[in-house]
Order: sequence, then C-alpha cells, then structure tokens
Amino acid sequence: AQSVSQHNHHVILSEAASLELGCNYSYGGTVNLFWYVQYPGQHLQLLLKYFSGDPLVKGIKGFEAEFIKSKFSFNLRKPSVQWSDTAEYFCAVFSSGTYKYIFGTGTRLKVLA
Amino acid sequence: EAQVTQNPRYLITVTGKKLTVTCSQNMNHEYMSWYRQDPGLGLRQIYYSMNVEVTDKGDVPEGYKVSRKEKRNFPLILESPSPNQTSLYFCASSSGQGRATNEKLFFGSGTQLSVL
Repeated sequence: AQSVSQHNHHVILSEAASLELGCNYSYGGTVNLFWYVQYPGQHLQLLLKYFSGDPLVKGIKGFEAEFIKSKFSFNLRKPSVQWSDTAEYFCAVFSSGTYKYIFGTGTRLKVLA
Repeated sequence: EAQVTQNPRYLITVTGKKLTVTCSQNMNHEYMSWYRQDPGLGLRQIYYSMNVEVTDKGDVPEGYKVSRKEKRNFPLILESPSPNQTSLYFCASSSGQGRATNEKLFFGSGTQLSVL
C-alpha cells in the first residue's frame, strides 16, 4: 500500500540551528514528491517538489530536499532556521496516474528565538 | 488574485443536522479535492474531482458527499454529521492537469468544524 512516513512529529530548535526533517515513502510507481508547509493560522502552501532530474531540489525560504531513491526518502533540510520557520511541515507523494495525493502525518517545528 | 475560497471558517453544529461547506476556485482548475486534518493523522483525502461531474472517493469518504456541477465549485456535504467528523477541513485545487511538472495544490484557508 502507498504510504508516507514522517518520523519526527515534534521538533524544537534554536535559531540558527540546522534542520533535517525525515520523509520516507512507499510507492510502486513513478515518484513525485512534495513538501508543503502550514504556518500558524494559515493554509498549506508548496515549499518544494521533485518530479525528475536533479535529486537535490531547492524551494522557497532557503529550504532544500534530496530525493534518495535507494532509501525511498525525501528529507527536508535547511542550514540555519529562523523563528519564522515555526510551522507544520507535510511530506506528500503524488501519483500522476491516479491523480492522488498521500500526505504524511506532519512534523511540527518550533524555533526558539 | 488566484485563490481557493472556503466558507465558513468556523462551524459548530449538532449531530444529525445536515451541513454544507462551500469551496470555490477562480483559477479554472480541473482538479479539486477535500481533506480533513486531524492531530497525529495528517491530511487525509475525503473526495476528489478530476472535472465537472467526475468525482471519486479518497481515503476517508464515509459520511461525506460532494458534487461538481460547475468547474469552480466543489461543495462538501455532511448529510448527518457525527462527533467523529469534528475536524479541520481543507479544500484544494490543482493546476497540474496530470502533468507532474505543473502539479501544485492550492489550498483554501480551512474550515474548523465541531459536531456536538
């Protein structure tokens, strides 16, 4: 069955610390991977996505993610977090064949000023 | 401004009283979908629609109905709400037309539903 796992449910960091949020997926077809972010009181918005080509993708606000096919992973990274990065982060797999999204359970990140 | 509009933002109701949450997008997107967000469970897809008059079940469709009579609107209907449907609901639309290169979900601001 298709699934997305985010192992870190809550992460607390100090400003300027480095961030890595884990995402592993189980999917048999062509992989299209996304990270969406939900800032407090706001709707979800796209952070970055991978559909083909360079496995290292860069998104908004200094975020990047690396697709490692052999590990079925798409971890999100940021070298130095800011207080404004406090949000909930969702990893998702998209199937272009069935037009279906599967989201992970989310990771709540709190950055301490 | 491109947007997905959901109404209402907050809704408190009682068990069994039919309700509708509206969703409208102004981007001429063919694809629309509904999700519910629950603590520890993330977002789960309720229903989606590939185009007018084309709808399909997501992962948690029980207790919900949808309709897609017009391209821009995709209302979520709870015929007989129950307390386990208390949740945060999001409507979304997509520009991808099935091509991953263009794929991106645009979300509404959410509807917090409480069923007493």
